[in-house]
Amino acid sequence: RKEVEQDPGPFNVPEGATVAFNCTYSNSASQSFFWYRQDCRKEPKLLMSVYSSGNEDGRFTAQLNRASQYISLLIRDSKLSDSATYLCVGNNAGNMLTFGGGTRLMVKP
Amino acid sequence: EAGVTQFPSHSVIEKGQTVTLRCDPISGHDNLYWYRRVMGKEIKFLLHFVKESKQDESGMPNNRFLAERTGGTYSTLKVQPAELEDSGVYFCASSQDWELAGPGGAAKNIQYFGAGTRLSVL
Repeated sequence: RKEVEQDPGPFNVPEGATVAFNCTYSNSASQSFFWYRQDCRKEPKLLMSVYSSGNEDGRFTAQLNRASQYISLLIRDSKLSDSATYLCVGNNAGNMLTFGGGTRLMVKP
Repeated sequence: EAGVTQFPSHSVIEKGQTVTLRCDPISGHDNLYWYRRVMGKEIKFLLHFVKESKQDESGMPNNRFLAERTGGTYSTLKVQPAELEDSGVYFCASSQDWELAGPGGAAKNIQYFGAGTRLSVL
């Protein structure tokens, strides 16, 4: 079983739609979580950190549920430029990042 | 400020040859990491330097891979001899020790990635 599991998608949504991605993790020792965004043939870029209290950055909301070992990302009012692969990432105390396989989002006009 | 830079962006070599990848971290970042993504798989950790010392090399696949970070600045990752299964994208990342981020100033290890080296072994 992978340490971080994501639905690979693709999620095809129209502009303006709200879309949610989920991710589960198996290593309860993981301390920090992040969502990274990766465009085709580009580097992963940090989108946002994830906190148990939930955090919001503009149109993006992330949530961590430690009891269920579940992480979510909600994107409101999708833009064409949101089309990318979204990577769910965990970080244990040793600094090693553990990546999910990514969820591909395609926003259509 | 310059980000993490990697060279070359692409490399095509034949099985049995040697390839050396280079990574220049963000200036001032003591932590440097190598990751790779092979076809169809998730990005996986290879190793972690703190300055010039290897902190964790648990992800290195075998002894054909040698990473160095002389002087604690840039790092090289050498594959010798390369095999077909080594093909993939090799990412380098760097981070400060811990950055204050988020509610209440929680500290997190934020890693910044380079664009990667796409290695094809034929």
